[in-house]
Amino acid sequence: EAGVAQSPRYKIIEKRQSVAFWCNPISGHATLYWYQQILGQGPKLLIQFQNNGVVDDSQLPKDRFSAERLKGVDSTLKIQPAKLEDSAVYLCASTLSGPFSYEQYFGPGTRLTVT
Amino acid sequence: AQTVTQSQPEMSVQEAETVTLSCTYDTSESDYYLFWYKQPPSRQMILVIRQEAYKQQNATENRFSVNFQKAAKSFSLKISDSQLGDAAMYFCAFGAQKLVFGQGTRLTINP
Repeated sequence: EAGVAQSPRYKIIEKRQSVAFWCNPISGHATLYWYQQILGQGPKLLIQFQNNGVVDDSQLPKDRFSAERLKGVDSTLKIQPAKLEDSAVYLCASTLSGPFSYEQYFGPGTRLTVT
Repeated sequence: AQTVTQSQPEMSVQEAETVTLSCTYDTSESDYYLFWYKQPPSRQMILVIRQEAYKQQNATENRFSVNFQKAAKSFSLKISDSQLGDAAMYFCAFGAQKLVFGQGTRLTINP
C-alpha cells in the first residue's frame, strides 16, 4: 500500500513570495490533515478535510494561507505572501474515515525555508 | 482547550536498557485517544502505540508499553531493551476532535 505522498520535499523562497505544497493521501482515505511543525515543536493542525469539505480550519491563518481538496482526493496548501515565521515543516496526514478515528498516516513533509 | 505537556526535552539511555518518557495532558473530554508518535530525522511521523481512554488495560506493542493513569491525566511510554533504531523525537498526542501534540522528547541511545 502506497503511503501519503508530498511534494516538494524542500522549498526555499524569499519573504512575500508565494508557495504551494501538494499532498496525495492513501487511496480511500476520506480525511486529510495539514499540520505545521516549527523547529523544536510538535505539529500543529492547520486544516482538516472530510472528503472535499472543511471540518476544522480554526488555526489556519486565512489572510495568507489557503487550502483546497478538489474531488476529495489530492490537496494543495498555499501561502501567499510568505513571512519569515512560516519557515517550518508542513506535514500532510490522512485517515480512513473521520472526522477522527484511529491512526493518522503521515507523509514525509515539506521543509519550507523563508529568507 | 486541550493541552499536552512533555516535561523532558531530552532523554538518553544505554542500549538494551529501559527508558520511560513522560506525558501529561489536560482535558474535560471523557472519550478520547492517546498516542505516542516517533519522528526520526527523516521527518516521517510513525505511530508507536495507541490507548483508548475507556480501556483500563494499558496498551502494549512488543517492546513499547504505556502507563495510562486517567485520573492523573498521565500517559507515559516505556521502551524496554532499547535499540539504536529507537533514537528519534517522540511526541505524545491527545485525540478527541483533533490531534494535539506535545513539544516532544528527543531520545538518544548510547551504544
